[in-house]
Amino acid sequence: DTAVSQTPKYLVTQMGNDKSIKCEQNLGHDTMYWYKQDSKKFLKIMFSYNNKELIINETVPNRFSPKSPDKAHLNLHINSLELGDSAVYFCASSQVPSGEQYFGPGTRLTVT
Amino acid sequence: GNSVTQMEGPVTLSEEAFLTINCTYTATGYPSLFWYVQYPGEGLQLLLKATKADDKGSNKGFEATYRKETTSFHLEKGSVQVSDSAVYFCALLVRSSASKIIFGSGTRLSIRP
Repeated sequence: DTAVSQTPKYLVTQMGNDKSIKCEQNLGHDTMYWYKQDSKKFLKIMFSYNNKELIINETVPNRFSPKSPDKAHLNLHINSLELGDSAVYFCASSQVPSGEQYFGPGTRLTVT
Repeated sequence: GNSVTQMEGPVTLSEEAFLTINCTYTATGYPSLFWYVQYPGEGLQLLLKATKADDKGSNKGFEATYRKETTSFHLEKGSVQVSDSAVYFCALLVRSSASKIIFGSGTRLSIRP
């Protein structure tokens, strides 16, 4: 059983397009996260939701908009994609905001 | 502020060698400390954790001890295997109303047969 899943696994698109990445967790956790990992493997948190409420919103362009329709889902929508958005995006979840996190397999986004 | 510093890689060892990956941290309060591992093409997996000073986390032959006096959480393994080749991330979590994990920059480990 997949605990944290993301779709798609790979996403190749052109500059200026709008795309979404979906994340679902079946662990019953209350908190979900989005991270960005750059080409040097540096991992940085972008957003966190607890019970569908935004609790962490790091300094990311407002072209990035998270949406949490319910506790089990946290989607990431990106408008007007730029070359610098190319990265691997990871979704994660935890039981509570202070708990250990479980990561999805990642979505590799390539903007051409 | 809170931060994690870990040794830069890549680290290349022969099979059965002893492994140490250094990690030091700066934090307000009393953080929990973690080591995560990322195998090629996969997401991060929690390897081990320690929640208070002098705790030792261990898993799959890896160990790390929470040292408050030296603000360190070094990862060790007595005899590495080729299957241990991966990127290892040290991380800390300071509990608050909006807790978030701060990751180190990652250390790539390659094990030669």
